[in-house]
Amino acid sequence: DAGVTQSPTHLIKTRGQQVTLRCSPKSGHDTVSWYQQALGQGPQFIFQYYEEEERQRGNFPDRFSGHQFPNYSSELNVNALLLGDSALYLCASSMDIRTQYFGPGTRLTVL
Amino acid sequence: GQQLNQSPQSMFIQEGEDVSMNCTSSSIFNTWLWYKQDPGEGPVLLIALYKAGELTSNGRLTAQFGITRKDSFLNISASIPSDVGIYFCAGDLGGPMNRDDKIIFGKGTRLHILP
Repeated sequence: DAGVTQSPTHLIKTRGQQVTLRCSPKSGHDTVSWYQQALGQGPQFIFQYYEEEERQRGNFPDRFSGHQFPNYSSELNVNALLLGDSALYLCASSMDIRTQYFGPGTRLTVL
Repeated sequence: GQQLNQSPQSMFIQEGEDVSMNCTSSSIFNTWLWYKQDPGEGPVLLIALYKAGELTSNGRLTAQFGITRKDSFLNISASIPSDVGIYFCAGDLGGPMNRDDKIIFGKGTRLHILP
């Protein structure tokens, strides 16, 4: 049984570009959350998707958007990239708090 | 907004020593979580706490949910080399089965084991 998978593993973009990151949840999980982890910091909650709708959102601008598909997989989109968007982006899938599993993350570098 | 203060920021210990780290907040949380993150990987849940005063163990790890609901600690007994990594506390305002939750993470405690 595969755990949470994310793609790509690494990505390099330039300022102003747009990026899409992908996440496949663990089998049986229907809720996907996205986090941004800057170097040396803890993960920061971006938003959570359940039943293809955004259920909760952290303190991130509208440049950050997402989508959940009927198979529960999810995408995170970031528009108009800034240097400060460089970070590890983590996806976590869950049925509830006790079963939240994190993927390995996508390392985004903005030049 | 809610913030978690995690201490110490880093620890250098000898193999076999016990480790203690804690997390405090000015806000009340209904759930406290402890994660470990290894390089190149996402955080892995170690222990989840749902009731004030709750003391839970997972092997050599023991964590407690503070009575005030504003703090938690994690202890590791008899440390071994594979304990090296970053330990994060996290708090959640929702209940244990609440889907409408968002987790607030501390900045982590980096554990180093001296040879």
